[in-house]
Amino acid sequence: GAVVSQHPSWVICKSGTSVKIECRSLDFQATTMFWYRQFPKQSLMLMATSNEGSKATYEQGVEKDKFLINHASLTLSTLTVTSAHPEDSSFYICSASPLTGYQETQYFGPGTRLLVL
Amino acid sequence: DQQVKQNSPSLSVQEGRISILNCDYTNSMFDYFLWYKKYPAEGPTFLISISSIKDKNEDGRFTVFLNKSAKHLSLHIVPSQPGDSAVYFCAPPNTGNQFYFGTGTSLTVIP
Repeated sequence: GAVVSQHPSWVICKSGTSVKIECRSLDFQATTMFWYRQFPKQSLMLMATSNEGSKATYEQGVEKDKFLINHASLTLSTLTVTSAHPEDSSFYICSASPLTGYQETQYFGPGTRLLVL
Repeated sequence: DQQVKQNSPSLSVQEGRISILNCDYTNSMFDYFLWYKKYPAEGPTFLISISSIKDKNEDGRFTVFLNKSAKHLSLHIVPSQPGDSAVYFCAPPNTGNQFYFGTGTSLTVIP
């Protein structure tokens, strides 16, 4: 159990376009979902924390208008990279904390690789 | 297919003693490992890393050991402090289109 999926797994887009990444908890409801990005050989960096039905909390240095996060239900959060540029190319990972049970457990999605040309 | 496993979901240690958190992996191609620490209601933050060309990396109270033949790594915290109580994740670097993360070990340091 406790599976988190991400879609798409990889995406290539032109500079200036917007890209939406979905994060779904498949067999549990998630109170909180987290979004991260990771550059090659670097550590995971938290971008934002989203709670269902409320606005996301962004980490310092992360542009809210650039990375739009929507957490419309207990099983789905989306990250939209608006007007993507080559420097946004990265690996984006989401994670979800369950509504019930041990709430500090965090289940990670497989990640989405974004390449902006 | 879980390529990184942390078989101990929880660990309790007395303050001042050593905490040892273990992680096993299956893919011998992994050349770099990272440990993350996560406090309640927060996302993981990077703690320490180790390259496969080394078998030990030390940073203050934190030391990570890598045993490539056993495909095993461990994080030692000494001396353990109550503020170290958190969930610890091990992870190899992302390879290709996949990202792997251990399931985490919840450490409780008892004052």
